[in-house]
Amino acid sequence: KNEVEQSPQNLTAQEGEFITINCSYSVGISALHWLQQHPGGGIVSLFMLSSGKKKHGRLIATINIQEKHSSLHITASHPRDSAVYICAVKRAGGTSYGKLTFGQGTILTVHP
Amino acid sequence: DTGVSQDPRHKITKRGQNVTFRCDPISEHNRLYWYRQTLGQGPEFLTYFQNEAQLEKSRLLSDRFSAERPKGSFSTLEIQRTEQGDSAMYLCASSFTLFTGTGANVLTFGAGSRLTVL
Repeated sequence: KNEVEQSPQNLTAQEGEFITINCSYSVGISALHWLQQHPGGGIVSLFMLSSGKKKHGRLIATINIQEKHSSLHITASHPRDSAVYICAVKRAGGTSYGKLTFGQGTILTVHP
Repeated sequence: DTGVSQDPRHKITKRGQNVTFRCDPISEHNRLYWYRQTLGQGPEFLTYFQNEAQLEKSRLLSDRFSAERPKGSFSTLEIQRTEQGDSAMYLCASSFTLFTGTGANVLTFGAGSRLTVL
């Protein structure tokens, strides 16, 4: 079992819909990242969070440390949101500062 | 500074050849990471540098792989005697982290270098 699991693996939505992508992890962490990867493109960091909730525009990320779970929400989705969304965690402790363990990604397609 | 630059963006090579990728991080960033990503999978950690020191290497990094960051600025990742299984996107990321900090830093990724081994 992977240390970081995302669901769903594939998600199709109509423009305007509210979208939720989930991430569960099985190790102690000091931070969790949500990243966005466009086809053929690089990876953009959306959020880094260690507790609570963060909001940026139409994107909201939440984390529940006790339940080892995080969600990424997109409100009023748009076709330009179509991308792969990746959850990544930094393990707590140790000396591997900054080394991230990634989920497999969620492929989001938003149709007009 | 325009972010993390990687070169080349695409490389097609024949099995057995050597390839080298270059990463230019954001200039003030002291940490540099290499990841590998195969189709349909999330990135996998390969190695990372704090300034010029290579502090950790993944078991994924066989003896055919070597990475350097000689002056603590740009880094190179060399793959010798390439195999078809090496075909992947090689991603570089950089960050600035205080040595005494938690390390929970934000990474900036490059666009990646896609390797195809025929």
